[in-house]
Amino acid sequence: GAGVSQSPSNKVTEKGKDVELRCDPISGHTALYWYRQSLGQGLEFLIYFQGNSAPDKSGLPSDRFSAERTGESVSTLTIQRTQQEDSAVYLCASRSLFAYEQYFGPGTRLTVT
Amino acid sequence: AQSVTQLGSHVSVSEGALVLLRCNYSSSVPPYLFWYVQYPNQGLQLLLKYTSAATLVKGINDFEAEFKKSETSFHLTKPSAHMSDAAEYFCAVSNMDSNYQLIWGAGTKLIIKP
Repeated sequence: GAGVSQSPSNKVTEKGKDVELRCDPISGHTALYWYRQSLGQGLEFLIYFQGNSAPDKSGLPSDRFSAERTGESVSTLTIQRTQQEDSAVYLCASRSLFAYEQYFGPGTRLTVT
Repeated sequence: AQSVTQLGSHVSVSEGALVLLRCNYSSSVPPYLFWYVQYPNQGLQLLLKYTSAATLVKGINDFEAEFKKSETSFHLTKPSAHMSDAAEYFCAVSNMDSNYQLIWGAGTKLIIKP
């Protein structure tokens, strides 16, 4: 079946602009995660969604970052007023309710100039 | 709190030689442990997982790992390296209390010498 998909694959934006990243999880996966991978910080958890429960936003680095998910489908990660330190690969993963492992999308490479 | 330490940011082995990538974890609750592989400019692919069943787990491409609670280790091995194994390998830990969020090691880049 189809895996996790993310769009765009690459995004170049100017400092101060807003960006929106999209994630389509595996169909039927109720849990969805966003991670960030950067040279300096490695892989970091950002946010977690599970069904209609309140999301776990504990990993978001600042209030410029926000994310939404409609039910058990698409999620969007929004970064407002982008800064150069936001440059990274943003990875989305999904997990089935009764499984432990996460499956990852190919990522969105964000470059802030 | 949980953490993961991967010993060696780079490991170099000859083609056909044994691959050993080290991972030690810290966890105050029973952990779930994972190895993921990342090929250049690609996402993360699950290699194998430990979820409290058998302590020796087998994954894709002849990789395996053994959970050793007494040593808090989950080292990844492969009997014979292939050129196509060149990639970066990440060890990660999660638990139920933190929504199975993955806590990651820093990664080990595996280099295969012909």
